[in-house]
Amino acid sequence: DSGVTQTPKHLITATGQRVTLRCSPRSGDLSVYWYQQSLDQGLQFLIQYYNGEERAKGNILERFSAQQFPDLHSELNLSSLELGDSALYFCASSVVPSNYGYTFGSGTRLTVV
Amino acid sequence: TQLLEQSPQFLSIQEGENLTVYCNSSSVFSSLQWYRQEPGEGPVLLVTVVTGGEVKKLKRLTFQFGDARKDSSLHITAAQPGDTGLYLCAVITGSYQLTFGKGTKLSVIP
Repeated sequence: DSGVTQTPKHLITATGQRVTLRCSPRSGDLSVYWYQQSLDQGLQFLIQYYNGEERAKGNILERFSAQQFPDLHSELNLSSLELGDSALYFCASSVVPSNYGYTFGSGTRLTVV
Repeated sequence: TQLLEQSPQFLSIQEGENLTVYCNSSSVFSSLQWYRQEPGEGPVLLVTVVTGGEVKKLKRLTFQFGDARKDSSLHITAAQPGDTGLYLCAVITGSYQLTFGKGTKLSVIP
């Protein structure tokens, strides 16, 4: 157990639907990062939060949004889902943004049918 | 263009063999990280290398950061089935985001 908790573990939904993925960071970590992993693109950075505020955006689609709440948990909202959004979504956390390693959760596998 | 190129993409070896995987770039980095990812799990940090020419050992795994800090290698001695997984190198870019290579998928056959 890495200490980063992601729910749900698996999610199957239809095209056009909206889903919410949840992440609880490791205790004491203020930074949360979201990544998408697909077979062809590998692990791609989506968005970063630090202590409730958005710090950086990567390759995140406009249909996707996220937020970090006062208790530091984070949610990634995916809307108007397309088949190509099927992927593994990972959350990672760190105490502060730094040059050192981050702790990843075990991911949410999203399947859009 | 991929910032980090990893090779080989796939590697299948017998238990007990040695292997080396590579992570290359044309850019210079202040540090580089190696992660291992097992099926159904998130990446787990193995090591961070910081100094050019640095060598770090983690049991049977030896990590080296190139002198020019543009590349890195991971050498596994006497591979075990438990070493099976996806090996990813990553660097910090922008506002402290991790940028990953596409990884080397290693299978160690008993």
